Amino acid sequence: DQQVKQNSPSLSVQEGRISILNCDYTNSMFDYFLWYKKYPAEGPTFLISISSIKDKNEDGRFTVFLNKSAKHLSLHIVPSQPGDSAVYFCAAGRTGTASKLTFGTGTRLQVTL
Amino acid sequence: DAGVTQSPTHLIKTRGQHVTLRCSPISGHKSVSWYQQVLGQGPQFIFQYYEKEERGRGNFPDRFSARQFPNYSSELNVNALLLGDSALYLCASSIGQGVVTEAFFGQGTRLTVV
Repeated sequence: DQQVKQNSPSLSVQEGRISILNCDYTNSMFDYFLWYKKYPAEGPTFLISISSIKDKNEDGRFTVFLNKSAKHLSLHIVPSQPGDSAVYFCAAGRTGTASKLTFGTGTRLQVTL
Repeated sequence: DAGVTQSPTHLIKTRGQHVTLRCSPISGHKSVSWYQQVLGQGPQFIFQYYEKEERGRGNFPDRFSARQFPNYSSELNVNALLLGDSALYLCASSIGQGVVTEAFFGQGTRLTVV
C-alpha cells in the first residue's frame, strides 16, 4: 500500500521557469510533510517542510503548498536553476514519530539551459 | 559541525553472510532511524531508536536488527544476506521523539550482495 505517491517519475523544466512537483497521500494521520532532494551517491538533503496546520510555507526559491482536503501537496521552485537537477522525494510523518517517515518514489527534475 | 556519518560507504558481501552498518548522528540528536532504498524507490523505514530503545519498526524480517549505544550512535545488522538486500542503507538523525522535526540523512552505505 503506497501511502505517499509521486505520480510523475520525471520532469523537465527550462532554467528560469517554475518547477512544480506534486505529491499525494492517503493516510489522514500524517500531519507533517517534508521535501528532500537527492543527488546520486549522496543521502537525501532536507529542503522544506510544512505542518498540517498550515497551507503554505516558503523558504527562498522553494514554496510548499498543502491541500489537506485533497490530500495533496506540491513543491514550487522559482526560478529553476541547473543545480536543482536531482531526484525530489516527498515524505510524510506523524507527530511523535519524528524520524519514521513514509517516502514517495521520487520525481527526477531536469533543469535545462 | 559534522553531519550524520555512516560507515562503510560501500560494501560487497556474499549471500548468507552477515553485515553490520554504523551510524553516528549529529551531535545533540538522540533519535536515529534506518532506511533501505532500492533502485527506483523511495527510502523505506526499517527502525527508529530513541534513547537506546526501539521506538518503531517497519515491515522487515527478523534478519534485520539494530541497536543504539549510550553515545546515540547506532548499528544496523542484517543476517543471512539475500540478493534482494542489495540497496542503499540510509541513517537519519533527529533531535527528539516527541516533537516533529526534520530528519537529517547521512550519505548512506551501498550494500551489494553477490
